[in-house]
Amino acid sequence: AQSVAQPEDQVNVAEGNPLTVKCTYSVSGNPYLFWYVQYPNRGLQFLLKYITGDNLVKGSYGFEAEFNKSQTSFHLKKPSALVSDSALYFCAVRDQGNQGGKLIFGQGTELSVKP
Amino acid sequence: EPEVTQTPSHQVTQMGQEVILRCVPISNHLYFYWYRQILGQKVEFLVSFYNNEISEKSEIFDDQFSVERPDGSNFTLKIRSTKLEDSAMYFCASSERAGGTEAFFGQGTRLTVV
Repeated sequence: AQSVAQPEDQVNVAEGNPLTVKCTYSVSGNPYLFWYVQYPNRGLQFLLKYITGDNLVKGSYGFEAEFNKSQTSFHLKKPSALVSDSALYFCAVRDQGNQGGKLIFGQGTELSVKP
Repeated sequence: EPEVTQTPSHQVTQMGQEVILRCVPISNHLYFYWYRQILGQKVEFLVSFYNNEISEKSEIFDDQFSVERPDGSNFTLKIRSTKLEDSAMYFCASSERAGGTEAFFGQGTRLTVV
């Protein structure tokens, strides 16, 4: 069965400091991995994805994520956090063998960036 | 920029009533999805739809739920007889393909069953 774990319900960071939001996954085959962000009363907004190739992927708003197959992880990172990055972040996985496109989401991590 | 639009943004209904949630996916997308998010919980997959038929559904998507693409642009989710536990935010999403293609989500419809 596919699953995603985000071990931290909340991450607190000071503005200007680096941030990491953790994600680990489990799929039967090879994964496609995604990060989405949700601002209050808004839908899910795509940030970045890993399909294949370079393990470090770059996305919107200066975010990046590193795919680590041996640790089955896909942690989201940003070198310098902004107050406007405060939001709910979701990691999601899709099994490459899945034809229907279903995404399995983690439970979300609330990122709070303080000035 | 193209976006997925959902209507209404908020719907309140009495238990046992039928509701239809509406979505207009991005025009050149071929895969359509419904997800839901109960308050404070994770986003859960309900159903995927491709080539005018359901390609996958979750255990949540029982006989009370149905989806339809009636006119080539709208994509609807019907709940036949709502229960209190159906109260949630319902998100529509669409993607060009499955595989490694990202899905684009609408703003959601908050369904409140009273």
